[in-house]
Parts: sequence; C-alpha cells; structure tokens
Amino acid sequence: AQSVTQPDIHITVSEGASLELRCNYSYGATPYLFWYVQSPGQGLQLLLKYFSGDTLVQGIKGFEAEFKRSQSSFNLRKPSVHWSDAAEYFCAVGAGGTSYGKLTFGQGTILTVHP
Amino acid sequence: DTGVSQDPRHKITKRGQNVTFRCDPISEHNRLYWYRQTLGQGPEFLTYFQNEAQLEKSRLLSDRFSAERPKGSFSTLEIQRTEQGDSAMYLCASSPLAGDIPGTDTQYFGPGTRLTVL
Repeated sequence: AQSVTQPDIHITVSEGASLELRCNYSYGATPYLFWYVQSPGQGLQLLLKYFSGDTLVQGIKGFEAEFKRSQSSFNLRKPSVHWSDAAEYFCAVGAGGTSYGKLTFGQGTILTVHP
Repeated sequence: DTGVSQDPRHKITKRGQNVTFRCDPISEHNRLYWYRQTLGQGPEFLTYFQNEAQLEKSRLLSDRFSAERPKGSFSTLEIQRTEQGDSAMYLCASSPLAGDIPGTDTQYFGPGTRLTVL
C-alpha cells in the first residue's frame, strides 16, 4: 500500500525567503505525485503533478517540485515566498492499476509567512 | 465552469441521527471521489465512482456509510446512526476521464461539508 510522509508539520518563513517543503513517499511502482494547497474555507487546489518525464516540474504560483526516485522524495520549492502563500500544503501519491484515481495524502505542512 | 459544489457546508447533528451530504461535480466529469479529513490530517480516501458505478470503497467506509451517484451526475453520501468519531470534513472531488495514463488526471475539490456530531 502506498503512503506519504510530510516530516514538517509547521514551517515559518519570512516573506521573500525561499521555501522547501519535504515529501517522502512509499509506493511499489512508478508513483504519480501531486502537491495540493488548502487555504481556510477553500477547497484543495492542485499546484503541480508528476507522472513521467522531466523530474523537475513547474506548477502554478511559482512553485516547482523535483522527483528523486533514489530518495523517494518529491519536495516542493519556491524561490521567494509571498504572504499569500500562507496555507496548508499536502503531498499525495496516486495509485495505478485498478485503483487509479485514489489519492493517498500526507498529513500536511502548515506554512506561516512573516512580513 | 462553476467548480465542484457541496451542500450543506456545515452540519451539526446529534449522535444516532442520519445525515446526507450532496456533491455536484464539474459538468461532464466522469469520476467523482469522496474523502474524509479530520483535524490535523490529510484527506483520506473513502470511495469513488466512474459515471454511476462505484468502483472502489475504502475499509474506512463502514456499513453505516453509503454513497450513490444514481445518474452519473451528482452524488450523495449518507451516514446512518452517526457517532462522534464521524465528526470531520467530508470532501468531494471530480475529474475528467484520464488521458493516456489512468491515475494522472487532476482531481478538483469542493469546499467540503464540515460535520459535527454532538
């Protein structure tokens, strides 16, 4: 069964600083990996996804993530954080085979941005 | 495209009562998913439909839970004899049929229904 670990429950950064949110996954086959963002009162919004090809993927709002198979990681990065990026971020792995479509989420990382 | 909508947004009920939630997916999305999210946790998969067929159910979905998507459009999730442990945010998502690679389609989430069982 697949699983996702987000080691950091809460991260605080200053506005303009760089950001890296960690995600480690466990999955037997080639993983389909996703990062979602959840703001209070809002639904989860997809930032980016990876399923094949270039291991560095670009997403919306200036985010990017790098898939590293050797480390079973899919860390999310942003070079300069804006106050509006404060939210909760979820990494997820998608299943293949007959369970395709089912997402397994990590427990999330809450991002606080200081002015 | 109005996005995924869920009704109600909040529900407070007493233990033992039945509740029903509705999800309206994005028009023409074939797949519809239900997840449950408790405080401090990520969403957990409950079940999903492709058109009107329910293709997979999680073991989290006890006999008290039932989901339907009768005409392949909106879906309902019913919880019978609610328990305090059912208190959570219930999220619905929809996606179009995948392109070349099943499982890579983007799921679009609704705002959720927050259930509180007293």
